[in-house]
Amino acid sequence: DAGVIQSPRHEVTEMGQEVTLRCKPISGHDYLFWYRQTMMRGLELLIYFNNNVPIDDSGMPEDRFSAKMPNASFSTLKIQPSEPRDSAVYFCASSLLSYNEQFFGPGTRLTVL
Amino acid sequence: TQLLEQSPQFLSIQEGENLTVYCNSSSVFSSLQWYRQEPGEGPVLLVTVVTGGEVKKLKRLTFQFGDARKDSSLHITAAQPGDTGLYLCAGGAGAGSYQLTFGKGTKLSVIP
Repeated sequence: DAGVIQSPRHEVTEMGQEVTLRCKPISGHDYLFWYRQTMMRGLELLIYFNNNVPIDDSGMPEDRFSAKMPNASFSTLKIQPSEPRDSAVYFCASSLLSYNEQFFGPGTRLTVL
Repeated sequence: TQLLEQSPQFLSIQEGENLTVYCNSSSVFSSLQWYRQEPGEGPVLLVTVVTGGEVKKLKRLTFQFGDARKDSSLHITAAQPGDTGLYLCAGGAGAGSYQLTFGKGTKLSVIP
């Protein structure tokens, strides 16, 4: 069974451009999490969904960040406009309701110039 | 806000040595998880502990949850180069919340 799939794996863009990160969770999982990882701040939760509904977006840093989950098999994290301080590795993770283990994707390394 | 402090931040040891890394908080957690992350990959769960004082062993790795459920430790016996990676602890708040609070991690290098 495939794990969590993220695309792209690497993204280099210029300040001001729109960036869209994509995630396909493990089939059957009903929770989906978006994290950002940096050396300074570690792994930070941005937002999470339960059954495609956003539950807590208090970790989203600014209005420039938005996330959607149109169906159980797909989610996006969008940054518009992007800034150099958004450079980080962004992870998507999914889990089952009754078991709190989170399965992480390989991450998207974002560099904003 | 619940915070988890991990120490040491970096650790470099020779193959065969033993080591312990720590995860501490002033908050109580309903569960504590340890993940290992290798370069270019996402974290992978190693263990979950849920009871104060609980000890779990995974081959050469021993995990302990503090009696008050505020701290945890990970001990590795006879470290091997394959143990190299970033070790992250994560606390679960419980009470219906599925959020995890992660520490910043301990970066372990085991030198052959």
